[in-house]
Amino acid sequence: SQTIHQWPATLVQPVGSPLSLECTVEGTSNPNLYWYRQAAGRGLQLLFYSVGIGQISSEVPQNLSASRPQDRQFILSSKKLLLSDSGFYLCAWTVGDSPLHFGNGTRLTVT
Amino acid sequence: GEDVEQSLFLSVREGDSSVINCTYTDSSSTYLYWYKQEPGAGLQLLTYIFSNMDMKQDQRLTVLLNKKDKHLSLRIADTQTGDSAIYFCAEMGAGNMLTFGGGTRLMVKP
Repeated sequence: SQTIHQWPATLVQPVGSPLSLECTVEGTSNPNLYWYRQAAGRGLQLLFYSVGIGQISSEVPQNLSASRPQDRQFILSSKKLLLSDSGFYLCAWTVGDSPLHFGNGTRLTVT
Repeated sequence: GEDVEQSLFLSVREGDSSVINCTYTDSSSTYLYWYKQEPGAGLQLLTYIFSNMDMKQDQRLTVLLNKKDKHLSLRIADTQTGDSAIYFCAEMGAGNMLTFGGGTRLMVKP
């Protein structure tokens, strides 16, 4: 069966520090991968999605970037964090028109 | 662009039925989904319905779809305290991209 792993679960980082969040999917090949951000327990904002290795689409201009170095690995990064980058970050995957499946999320607090 | 709207909050008593409503604008939606999010956790897929269906029932959950009015609802029978969570509806539109509503916080009172 397919599983998705996201880490770390929580992270506290100072303003101006770099960020790297990692997501991996097991049990499937060539998934579509997504990064979402959720502010204050409310709606989801799609940040990036990827349909293949090295293919990244950005939905909103921001201080973050994404990379997909391997088929089932998706990384969210920043060179210098801002206070406004605080939030709950969710990775998700899908194959074809199957439902979207989410990881457990990373709560990022920028201080 | 596509838009999905939900009411912010719903409060029910334990044992009652809960009905969470959702409206969407994309007439080309293929699938519509309901997700549940418990505090501090990711989104868990509850159920989904294909756009050519009117109703889907799965144990305590009933999904109703009115495609003409672009209205989706989730009914939870015999609501329990463990059902307290945020519920998101989502529609799959062009390019197999999901658009999410803002979420409805369900509070179940004992």
